[in-house]
Formats: sequence, structure tokens, C-alpha cells
Amino acid sequence: EPEVTQTPSHQVTQMGQEVILRCVPISNHLYFYWYRQILGQKVEFLVSFYNNEISEKSEIFDDQFSVERPDGSNFTLKIRSTKLEDSAMYFCASSEAMAGFPSTEAFFGQGTRLTVV
Amino acid sequence: GQQVMQIPQYQHVQEGEDFTTYCNSSTTLSNIQWYKQRPGGHPVFLIQLVKSGEVKKQKRLTFQFGEAKKNSSLHITATQTTDVGTYFCAVPMHMLTFGGGTRLMVKP
Repeated sequence: EPEVTQTPSHQVTQMGQEVILRCVPISNHLYFYWYRQILGQKVEFLVSFYNNEISEKSEIFDDQFSVERPDGSNFTLKIRSTKLEDSAMYFCASSEAMAGFPSTEAFFGQGTRLTVV
Repeated sequence: GQQVMQIPQYQHVQEGEDFTTYCNSSTTLSNIQWYKQRPGGHPVFLIQLVKSGEVKKQKRLTFQFGEAKKNSSLHITATQTTDVGTYFCAVPMHMLTFGGGTRLMVKP
């Protein structure tokens, strides 16, 4: 069964360092997303990406965040200067059509646990 | 702004007891989805409801969409330890916006 894959599964970084989280969405999907989940809390939307550009972003997705689709398969989230409060599980997701549309489910990766020390 | 509230936040049940989680929106929804996240896992799609008053069943799980399409519920009959996890409703705001989730714990 096709799945979204994320690497690494766990990343520890020092405050102020840059990190890049990587995702390989399901191959025929057109919409890609990043969500984050602080331990024990809700799943929060960060950004959606379609047709090689950001289609929607939340207030969490400020200037320190960026996304890229550097080639035909990878989708990355970069955090330029990490802060302690960036520690969370980051989930990548993809969908065939816009998630939330009728008959469109989002498929989530296993997540990358980011720990900022 | 638009909000989706989910209650309760936590629920402890004895194995075999029933469980219900509720999701409420301040606005009318075009559809609502439900996801399950096992401890340490990622959200996995369960079902989508589209029509007013819709009821769908998956084995011991019953999903309902309110007549006004502003609320939804997930009911689990005779819980099992395998039902443990957090159940999220998700609605199409900012693509897919998740409710706060209800964490279900089942005592064997």
C-alpha cells in the first residue's frame, strides 16, 4: 500500500540551528501538507503546497519556516533558526485533491520528532 | 474565527464499556472527517461524513453528522484495548483543521 515516508524519524538540534525535515509523499498525490503536534496536544496545520507553491499557511508558519519541492518526489520543511518551542512531532501529509473536500482523505507519514535543546 | 471544539479531552473506560466523543463547529460544515492516532503513531483516516444527518458504521464504531451539519459524534460500542488512542475530528478550514482530540484509555 502506498505510504508517505518521512526522514529522519528523530532529530535533535541545538537552538539556533537550521533543520530540514524530509518527506516523500504518495506518488500520484498533488497536495502536500505539514502539520505539527506538540507532545500531547492537537495536530496543528502549518502549510499546504500545490502546483509548486504554498496554497495556504497558518499563523504558526512564520518567516523562519519554508517549504520546498526540490525534485519530483521530495517535499521538505526547513526551520531556519530553531527555538525551544519548535520541539514537536512534525507530520507530512499528502492527498489526491484538496484535503477536506468530499471523498478526499489525507495520508500522514510517521512523523519526525524534533527536539531542540 | 471558525472553531472546532471536541469533547471530552480524555476518557477512561473499562473494557466493554461504550465511548463517545463529540465535535462541534461554530459554522456549518461541508463535511467532517474522523482520524485515529494510536499512542506514538500518526493520524489515520477513519471516515468522512458529508450529508446532513448521515450515520455510518464501521463494525463497533458509529459516526453521526448532525442535521445542521455543525456537529458530529463517534460512538464505540463495547470498547476493546485495541481502541486505545486519540480520536480527532477534522474539518475543511485551512485545508484540514483538527479538533483537539479525545484521548481514549481502556482498562482491561
